[in-house]
Amino acid sequence: GNSVTQMEGPVTLSEEAFLTINCTYTATGYPSLFWYVQYPGEGLQLLLKATKADDKGSNKGFEATYRKETTSFHLEKGSVQVSDSAVYFCARRESSASKIIFGSGTRLSIRP
Amino acid sequence: SAVISQKPSRDICQRGTSLTIQCQVDSQVTMMFWYRQQPGQSLTLIATANQGSEATYESGFVIDKFPISRPNLTFSTLTVSNMSPEDSSIYLCSVEESPRQGEGYTFGSGTRLTVV
Repeated sequence: GNSVTQMEGPVTLSEEAFLTINCTYTATGYPSLFWYVQYPGEGLQLLLKATKADDKGSNKGFEATYRKETTSFHLEKGSVQVSDSAVYFCARRESSASKIIFGSGTRLSIRP
Repeated sequence: SAVISQKPSRDICQRGTSLTIQCQVDSQVTMMFWYRQQPGQSLTLIATANQGSEATYESGFVIDKFPISRPNLTFSTLTVSNMSPEDSSIYLCSVEESPRQGEGYTFGSGTRLTVV
């Protein structure tokens, strides 16, 4: 069925390290893709999005490119900070439906 | 972007009782969504609430357990009925930012429910 699969956590990195969190999706159509972030004790926030193939979403130094050929939307950041410690969720929205389906979430911890 | 007020922010309830969660949006929206986030888990969609019609429930969720109201375009409630400890979760409401696809969704801050 349609789903979102993302890298299992927790992921622990040192400050200034390069980050990749993998996300792949299955879908019947051409979904919109999202990364959401949940900081400790806070609600869910949209981090970035991409609505069609080859689109690149970016925000706060994070980037993700909509790759139709590999059905992927991997999240990357060149130099992480302690303040990036959070849970990251990959999500998709079908073109034919309004609901968003979430991946399982990846907990990221950054050491000073 | 839309601003969502959700209340209560948290509650501790006795098993067998019911809790109604309210979600107020500062603009009119066609669809509102209710999610559950169990401890350490991802978000699972419970149902989609349209104004003027019955809510659409996802597999594994039923109206008797999670009745939803949607009296107008800015407000919705979710009731968690006959609660058990397994219902302990964060419950979130969400709205789509724009009628156009792919514009993202805004989430309320959630209701942290503990059933004892």
